[in-house]
This record gives sequence, C-alpha cells and structure tokens, in this order.
Amino acid sequence: NAGVTQTPKFQVLKTGQSMTLQCAQDMNHEYMSWYRQDPGMGLRLIHYSVGAGITDQGEVPNGYNVSRSTTEDFPLRLLSAAPSQTSVYFCASSYSTGPTYGYTFGSGTRLTVV
Amino acid sequence: AQKITQTQPGMFVQEKEAVTLDCTYDTSDQSYGLFWYKQPSSGEMIFLIYQGSYDEQNATEGRYSLNFQKARKSANLVISASQLGDSAMYFCAMSLRGAQKLVFGQGTRLTINP
Repeated sequence: NAGVTQTPKFQVLKTGQSMTLQCAQDMNHEYMSWYRQDPGMGLRLIHYSVGAGITDQGEVPNGYNVSRSTTEDFPLRLLSAAPSQTSVYFCASSYSTGPTYGYTFGSGTRLTVV
Repeated sequence: AQKITQTQPGMFVQEKEAVTLDCTYDTSDQSYGLFWYKQPSSGEMIFLIYQGSYDEQNATEGRYSLNFQKARKSANLVISASQLGDSAMYFCAMSLRGAQKLVFGQGTRLTINP
C-alpha cells in the first residue's frame, strides 16, 4: 500500500500565482484533511472532508479551496498565493473520526511563496 | 477549548538514557484519544503510540510508552534506551468524539548526543 501520497514535495511560487497540491490515499479512508505546519505552531487544520462530496473548513481556511469528487483524492488549491502561505503542508487520512482513530499522514509539501 | 501543551521546546539527552517528553491536555470531554507523532529531519509524520481516555493500562509500543495520568491531564511520552535515530521533533496530539481534527501541541525537538 502506498498510504497517503502528496505531490509535489517542493514548490516555489510567485505572489499571486495559483496552484494545486495533490493528495491521494489508497486505504479507502472516508476522512481526509489538510494541515499546515509553521514553526512554533504545531499543525493547524485548513480543510477537511468526511466523504466524497462533503468538505468543511478548519481553523485556517482563508486563501485555500478544496473539493472531494472521489474517496481517494483531496486536492488543495491555493487561489492567489501570498508569502503568508509559505509553510509545510500535510495531507492526512483516517478510516473515520473520533477518539480512537489514528491518522496517516503524507510526506508533506514544502511551499515557498516569494 | 481543547488544547495541547508541550512545555519543552528542546531537549538534549545522552544516548542510551531514558527520556520523558511532557504533554498536558485540556478538554472537558470524557472521550478522547491521545497520540504521539515523530517528525525526523526528513519531514514525514510518523505515528508512535496511542492512548484512549478509557484505557486503564498505559500504552506501550516497543521502546515507547505513554505515561497517562488522567487526573493531571498529562500524557507524557517515555522513550527507553534512547538511540541517535530518536533525534527528531515530537508532537503530542488529541482527538475528540465528534471532532474533525487532531489538536496538536507545538512540539519538542529531541536531540540525542553520542
């Protein structure tokens, strides 16, 4: 099993550019989510999905869009990149949500906006 | 509000010594799960250990154990016989019933000295 696959691993964008971070999982997990990791702040939830066709906002959703057309894929779109979006982005999936379900993380995408 | 606090930004330990990484949590929910993740310099998030709020025994996974003190709301990670490969960032996280995310602490950077 590949688990959670994120692409690309590294990306440099110019301010104002748009791009899509890809996330795919092959574990038939219903729950998928995007986090960003900034120094000294741990990981913060951007958007999440509890199943195909269902998405919702997390703690820091501004500047990002998501959609979930299939169980496997959960892309994150940056509409107009800003330097404040320089961060490491993680996609995570889980069989379900709740206190007993662990999360599988992708290897991360390091994004720099100049 | 749910919160995870890791008070040790950095720790330095001699190889083969045991090390305890502190984690305290704040929630009024009775049902929750506590997780520890390791993030090496390569950046991926590696699941280490899980403790459920109703588990009576402390969780163990190889050299990792979780010192769960419910009344004190603490979930410290204990690594026995530390190795150079244990040098990494360690995150404590919490999941809650009905919540759609993991709440992360700020992390502790552990350095193992030879």
